[in-house]
This record gives sequence, C-alpha cells and structure tokens, in this order.
Amino acid sequence: QKEVEQNSGPLSVPEGAIASLNCTYSDRGSQSFFWYRQYSGKSPELIMSIYSNGDKEDGRFTAQLNKASQYVSLLIRDSQPSDSATYLCAVKKDSNYQLIWGAGTKLIIKP
Amino acid sequence: SQTIHQWPATLVQPVGSPLSLECTVEGTSNPNLYWYRQAAGRGLQLLFYSVGIGQISSEVPQNLSASRPQDRQFILSSKKLLLSDSGFYLCAWSVRGGRSNEQFFGPGTRLTVL
Repeated sequence: QKEVEQNSGPLSVPEGAIASLNCTYSDRGSQSFFWYRQYSGKSPELIMSIYSNGDKEDGRFTAQLNKASQYVSLLIRDSQPSDSATYLCAVKKDSNYQLIWGAGTKLIIKP
Repeated sequence: SQTIHQWPATLVQPVGSPLSLECTVEGTSNPNLYWYRQAAGRGLQLLFYSVGIGQISSEVPQNLSASRPQDRQFILSSKKLLLSDSGFYLCAWSVRGGRSNEQFFGPGTRLTVL
C-alpha cells in the first residue's frame, strides 16, 4: 500500500461543474495536508493547506479533511479550463520535515 | 516576498558527464531546502534535504550528491550522469521549524541525459 494514494485519472469535468479530487493516506500520525497544482512542464504550486478536520475554503477551492477515515479531498467549484492540470496531494508525517507525495490526478476541464 | 531561483532551465548532457544544478532562495533566512526529481508522468521523489549549512540528508542512494555552501544556496551534483538521471529537477524551500512545512518550489531544471 502506498503511503499517499490518488487516482491518476484523467478526471474529465465540464466547465462550470464541481471537480472533486480525492487522496487517501496510510499514516494516522500525519499532521498537515497540502494540495498542489502542476501545469504541464511547470513546477508544483501550493494552492491549499489544511490541518484540522472539516472544510477549509479559499475562493473556488475547498479542502476537506477527515482524519478518522484518512482522506483529504479538494473541491473546485465553477471549474474553468485554466484549472486543467495535475493535482498533487502531499502529507506531512509527525515530527518530520518531509512531505509524502501522491502521484497526482490529472484534471481536464472541458469547455 | 520570497523567491526561489534555479538554473539552468534546461540541460542536455551526455552519459558520463558531470552535473551541477544550482538553487538560491531570496527573501528568507535559515530555510529548509529540498531537491526533488520528477520522472515523466510520475510523482515527486525526494533526493536530498538540508536544515542548515553543510547539513545534508540523503533519501535515495544514487550517483547524485548535494551541498549547501551558504544559507540560501543548494547545489545538486553528479560526477558521472546515467541515462536514468533524466528528469525534472525541482528545488524547494520551507520555513525552518515551521509547524506546517509548506514547501515552495522553484521553476525547475529539465535534464535530458543522452
């Protein structure tokens, strides 16, 4: 079992709809959770961080964390073609500088 | 604001040649620094991280090495490149001692070994 798992996709969503991206992790001691967006040929860009159970909203993005079920999700409302990218989930384990990375989900927003 | 620079942006090198990639951070002091490699269509592989000058931790045994000669400078090197060293090399920084360890990436160097 991988430490951080994501569906590789591609996930195809029509423009204007809600895109839902999911990530599961194996270490119950994980403390911090991150979503990065990576456009093709570019470096990852941090879009959301979440540390507590529940929802965290930032503009069109909402991160959801459920530590009991060990999953974190990212919702993108009113999806735009510019949201088409690979979304990487990363998890910080307890008392460690390192992030554990998922392989990413490719999201395609269809006009 | 903080800025992270990497160079060169692209590099084509023959097998067996040496390598030196440089990363510098501006606008912050005492950062944690990281080198990652991303193979085509794959996730991020942590190669090295550093919590201070001269302090390097290696995550993957290989023919690469890293050095941190100054607080905001991180260098990735190899004496002899292999075909398998091709990939997208990313430098990142985070706040030292920060609880969250949010990491911020440079623009990357795309290395092709022929």
